[in-house]
Amino acid sequence: GAGVSQSPRYKVTKRGQDVTLRCDPISSHATLYWYQQALGQGPEFLTYFNYEAQPDKSGLPSDRFSAERPEGSISTLTIQRTEQRDSAMYRCASSLGTDSPLHFGNGTRLTVT
Amino acid sequence: GIQVEQSPPDLILQEGANSTLRCNFSDSVNNLQWFHQNPWGQLINLFYIPSGTKQNGRLSATTVATERYSLLYISSSQTTDSGVYFCAVLQTGANNLFFGTGTRLTVIP
Repeated sequence: GAGVSQSPRYKVTKRGQDVTLRCDPISSHATLYWYQQALGQGPEFLTYFNYEAQPDKSGLPSDRFSAERPEGSISTLTIQRTEQRDSAMYRCASSLGTDSPLHFGNGTRLTVT
Repeated sequence: GIQVEQSPPDLILQEGANSTLRCNFSDSVNNLQWFHQNPWGQLINLFYIPSGTKQNGRLSATTVATERYSLLYISSSQTTDSGVYFCAVLQTGANNLFFGTGTRLTVIP
């Protein structure tokens, strides 16, 4: 696509529910990142993919967080048993490679009540 | 890990004024990028600038990697320049950008 697309734009969920966020990167981009951004802070790295491989998931805060990119294009980020501290903006970004300009989607704002 | 410090943390400008935002980093980097987060929350890539100087309209950026800093210049500021400006670096040997804490710019008419 022309840009990075994320859905949903907003998600409100109750504590303990599972949520899945979706990212559709720029079609020519091999590399896809997930970042978490708390209010008033800069984005923090969660994980990244090179095509379907996931070389680094060191930023995932707990085993409740997981991500997939099974066909090397669309990716999903799943948070199981959500907690209030998971409330944040979740941003997806893509690039041609790890040392290339990064392009972000508009993000998904998650609120856990 | 690498430290990325941005200054000033907050800046208020009259429309038409110029400004310089600074980004200092604590270790060698392969690249540096500047982003603008507008009031609607979109995060826009302004510059990919591992070294040297680039210009795009009223904005320009300079990175001196050997001295571990980068500068973002905004000339003739407009209200649409308001938002948060982030500097992000790719530390040598790393595979993801590390973001600074940002400079919040408010341009008043």
